[in-house]
Amino acid sequence: DAGITQSPRHKVTETGTPVTLRCHQTENHRYMYWYRQDPGHGLRLIHYSYGVKDTDKGEVSDGYSVSRSKTEDFLLTLESATSSQTSVYFCAISDTGQGNQPQHFGDGTRLSIL
Amino acid sequence: AQSVTQLGSHVSVSEGALVLLRCNYSSSVPPYLFWYVQYPNQGLQLLLKYTSAATLVKGINGFEAEFKKSETSFHLTKPSAHMSDAAEYFCAVSPTGANNLFFGTGTRLTVIP
Repeated sequence: DAGITQSPRHKVTETGTPVTLRCHQTENHRYMYWYRQDPGHGLRLIHYSYGVKDTDKGEVSDGYSVSRSKTEDFLLTLESATSSQTSVYFCAISDTGQGNQPQHFGDGTRLSIL
Repeated sequence: AQSVTQLGSHVSVSEGALVLLRCNYSSSVPPYLFWYVQYPNQGLQLLLKYTSAATLVKGINGFEAEFKKSETSFHLTKPSAHMSDAAEYFCAVSPTGANNLFFGTGTRLTVIP
């Protein structure tokens, strides 16, 4: 299994509070991704990173920011959480970022915003 | 824009029966295609991938998928279902030259004893 650790695994918080999710990898892969999974939508890309300090938006980036100060860590921040951001969040990594290379996923963070 | 359609959000089969999970993609250029499996409370695990080599792709756990360009399909099959195959299955597409994955909405497979 790819060495991907997501923390926390579960979090419950209140509307309006800031939340940061962490993804840590031990594979030294260049590309890292954040997805959210919602019933009826599959997984949708929030943001991704193609190197330290290099990030770009995905399909559903509104309300989220990311940072990558080290190769191994990719942080996802909800500046002011809303109930619509209740979801399961997955981090993924890829060695080359080429389309023919599969992405490898962490075990997810279940986030509930009350 | 890329899109992936998985027909049937829920599929039930008897143990030992054929498993067929459907996936169609929309693209004018054949993309790269993947099937992932998700067990409860876990992340996604790669089952198999199509990257323009053989059109019949074999994956883990006895699954295989056939790329059919004329039908823009990449259906997943397994000859004989096991109880351990009960999970959610996702088809995903990556456009050639890009690094983004676009997922279908998933199919939950139930295996009946």
